[in-house]
Amino acid sequence: GQQVMQIPQYQHVQEGEDFTTYCNSSTTLSNIQWYKQRPGGHPVFLIQLVKSGEVKKQKRLTFQFGEAKKNSSLHITATQTTDVGTYFCAGEDRYGGSQGNLIFGKGTKLSVKP
Amino acid sequence: DSGVTQTPKHLITATGQRVTLRCSPRSGDLSVYWYQQSLDQGLQFLIQYYNGEERAKGNILERFSAQQFPDLHSELNLSSLELGDSALYFCASSFRTSSIYDEQFFGPGTRLTVL
Repeated sequence: GQQVMQIPQYQHVQEGEDFTTYCNSSTTLSNIQWYKQRPGGHPVFLIQLVKSGEVKKQKRLTFQFGEAKKNSSLHITATQTTDVGTYFCAGEDRYGGSQGNLIFGKGTKLSVKP
Repeated sequence: DSGVTQTPKHLITATGQRVTLRCSPRSGDLSVYWYQQSLDQGLQFLIQYYNGEERAKGNILERFSAQQFPDLHSELNLSSLELGDSALYFCASSFRTSSIYDEQFFGPGTRLTVL
């Protein structure tokens, strides 16, 4: 079945350093979403990417969707302590008949040292 | 606050028992999704309901069942509970039509502990 792999599993950075998490799917995705979950909290939607090669920015966060729509990345510039949490990517494979079925990566847990 | 409510917040029960988790979606949202989050498996999609009907199914065990009622709230029933069912169960909702995909709003979750 469809799998979404996310690396790294953990990332420890010094405040002010950049951070990147990568997401790779075994199948072509119709779209990809990114969520952030703070410790003890629930996942919160960040963004959705739909188009091949799409790049979207939210302040210090840059999201990319690969040309083949099988990979994605989230880059955070100059991390802050408020960025702490686990970042999940989630893909929907409509082409494979899994419409409505979001497959989540296992997440990248980011810790930021002040 | 996402607008999605889940009850109870915590549930402690014994193996072999049956429990019901409840979710109320955001006002106006037609779709409800159930997820299981455990330490080793991450977030696993279980099932989706749209306007009362089952729309998509993920890794949901046969011991688990769900339904969405006319007022759009949903219940997830877990039976013959095993130790491995201990996890955080999230409900999410979205206003989704068949042609538009939009973001999901997650509730605070129900932490289930099976002893």
